[in-house]
Amino acid sequence: DTGVSQNPRHKITKRGQNVTFRCDPISEHNRLYWYRQTLGQGPEFLTYFQNEAQLEKSRLLSDRFSAERPKGSFSTLEIQRTEQGDSAMYLCASSLGLAGGYNEQFFGPGTRLTVL
Amino acid sequence: AQSVTQLDSQVPVFEEAPVELRCNYSSSVSVYLFWYVQYPNQGLQLLLKYLSGSTLVKGINGFEAEFNKSQTSFHLRKPSVHISDTAEYFCAVSVLDDKIIFGKGTRLHILP
Repeated sequence: DTGVSQNPRHKITKRGQNVTFRCDPISEHNRLYWYRQTLGQGPEFLTYFQNEAQLEKSRLLSDRFSAERPKGSFSTLEIQRTEQGDSAMYLCASSLGLAGGYNEQFFGPGTRLTVL
Repeated sequence: AQSVTQLDSQVPVFEEAPVELRCNYSSSVSVYLFWYVQYPNQGLQLLLKYLSGSTLVKGINGFEAEFNKSQTSFHLRKPSVHISDTAEYFCAVSVLDDKIIFGKGTRLHILP
């Protein structure tokens, strides 16, 4: 029984570099969410997918950010031209996404990004 | 739009003493309410949730919370804390089955 996994767990990069994170949801979960958590704050919603369709994007998701879920399974979050303000914990969550009721979101351990 | 306010950023409490972590929310529509816990160097874990029905909800590890619609509050309580309860606690809301909106968190310090 595996939960949501995220790779890498830690990433240190220099300002201006591109980074990509991966999230593997729980098997058979249709919905996948990305959140960002900065120091001293609660997680903030970035975007979510229903299968391979990206259904909502937060205003926090600038044009330097792109997320994909090409086959409706794993997802990637890419940040281009990283800035120091991008330093944060990036959290992924998944849920069954069944219509008509509550679907619990299960969170992964996160990827901690440090931009130098 | 929905928002969540956690009134205390840090709460120190002696071991075996009771604790209450306060949470107020704002929403013009009905919401689901949650408390999540984040232990040091671990991921977020759902502590308890209110979807509908009884306003007193019980969660894991002896925690409970009470939904008060008139005061738009969802305070978390535990009658006797243990050192293992040291963690950050997040109150959160969602509209139906949508994205979750989190508060800024309350760090619970257990004093020996």
